[in-house]
Amino acid sequence: ELKVEQNPLFLSMQEGKNYTIYCNYSTTSDRLYWYRQDPGKSLESLFVLLSNGAVKQEGRLMASLDTKARLSTLHITAAVHDLSATYFCAVEGTSGSRLTFGEGTQLTVNP
Amino acid sequence: GAVVSQHPSWVICKSGTSVKIECRSLDFQATTMFWYRQFPKQSLMLMATSNEGSKATYEQGVEKDKFLINHASLTLSTLTVTSAHPEDSSFYICNPVGGRGYTFGSGTRLTVV
Repeated sequence: ELKVEQNPLFLSMQEGKNYTIYCNYSTTSDRLYWYRQDPGKSLESLFVLLSNGAVKQEGRLMASLDTKARLSTLHITAAVHDLSATYFCAVEGTSGSRLTFGEGTQLTVNP
Repeated sequence: GAVVSQHPSWVICKSGTSVKIECRSLDFQATTMFWYRQFPKQSLMLMATSNEGSKATYEQGVEKDKFLINHASLTLSTLTVTSAHPEDSSFYICNPVGGRGYTFGSGTRLTVV
């Protein structure tokens, strides 16, 4: 059974600081997804990582995937308040199968 | 990108009544539909998987007679919560899949009073 673990689960940081969220998963997969969820809202797609060594960046967020280590990271650079949200990683088992989600990281960026 | 429409966005119902949630893929055909449930401060939990024209497969612990899923077409799936109870209050999210990655519906906040 595929298990996905995120850490930290809660992250409070100051504006302007950098931090990394980690996502570990238990079985082989080449596809990993990062989502953002605002309170009361559904999931917003941030990144799709499709191969080992994939790196994608959008604004202050950068995601990477190491399939050998079964690890993905979401790096936040110079955080701003607007980044406050819950971030989920999700791993695809086989192509087209369900996603297995991590527990989510609740990020709060303080002025 | 893939566009998904989920309705209603929120619904309040009395205990014992039924509620239907609709999920439509507007610009693609969804061969598979995943339905998730999310309780406050928790992650998404898969409830069931359905393929067009087939019976849904339910995850362990999810009552198939309580959560009726119909996936009659490649663009529409419905989830009906029957005889709703307060413990069914949750955020329900659909996820149609059809070769364009994973796009989620906007979610339905169900409150049973």
